[in-house]
Amino acid sequence: AQSVTQLDSHVSVSEGTPVLLRCNYSSSYSPSLFWYVQHPNKGLQLLLKYTSAATLVKGINGFEAEFKKSETSFHLTKPSAHMSDAAEYFCVVVTSGTYKYIFGTGTRLKVLA
Amino acid sequence: DTEVTQTPKHLVMGMTNKKSLKCEQHMGHRAMYWYKQKAKKPPELMFVYSYEKLSINESVPSRFSPECPNSSLLNLHLHALQPEDSALYLCASSQDHRKETQYFGPGTRLLVL
Repeated sequence: AQSVTQLDSHVSVSEGTPVLLRCNYSSSYSPSLFWYVQHPNKGLQLLLKYTSAATLVKGINGFEAEFKKSETSFHLTKPSAHMSDAAEYFCVVVTSGTYKYIFGTGTRLKVLA
Repeated sequence: DTEVTQTPKHLVMGMTNKKSLKCEQHMGHRAMYWYKQKAKKPPELMFVYSYEKLSINESVPSRFSPECPNSSLLNLHLHALQPEDSALYLCASSQDHRKETQYFGPGTRLLVL
């Protein structure tokens, strides 16, 4: 069975410093993985997705994630945080067969001025 | 254009009311989804429609009744809801049920009194 674990429920960074949001997955096959961002009282916006092409995936707004099979990780990074990055971030793995989304519990990113 | 629209943005209803949520997409997607999201939690899948037919019902109570009148439109009919049903209801769509990338609408914030 597929699962995903977001290792930090809250992350605080200063504006202009790097962002690292951690995600580990469990899957018996090559997974499809996504990162979504949700700003307060908004829907989910797709940041990026991994579907077995390049292991380094570039997304919108300067975010990127690296798929590491040996570590079963798909961590989200950004070189320099902006105040507008403050939001909830969800890592998602897709189940085989039913193609359902399995969401992580989310990481709330706080950006300090 | 990757836009999914939802109306209304906010809804307050009593436990004896009947109301409906509406979701629309014009991307030619043939799979549409309803999710429920409680505060500080990830979204939970409720229903999946594939080619206008209900393909997944995640054991949702019958007071929630989905409808897919055509490939662009998805409704969620609400009747005799409970206060614990208060949540953000998100609609999503994907190219088809086997195409994994889902695009989310902004949600309807529902309050049941």
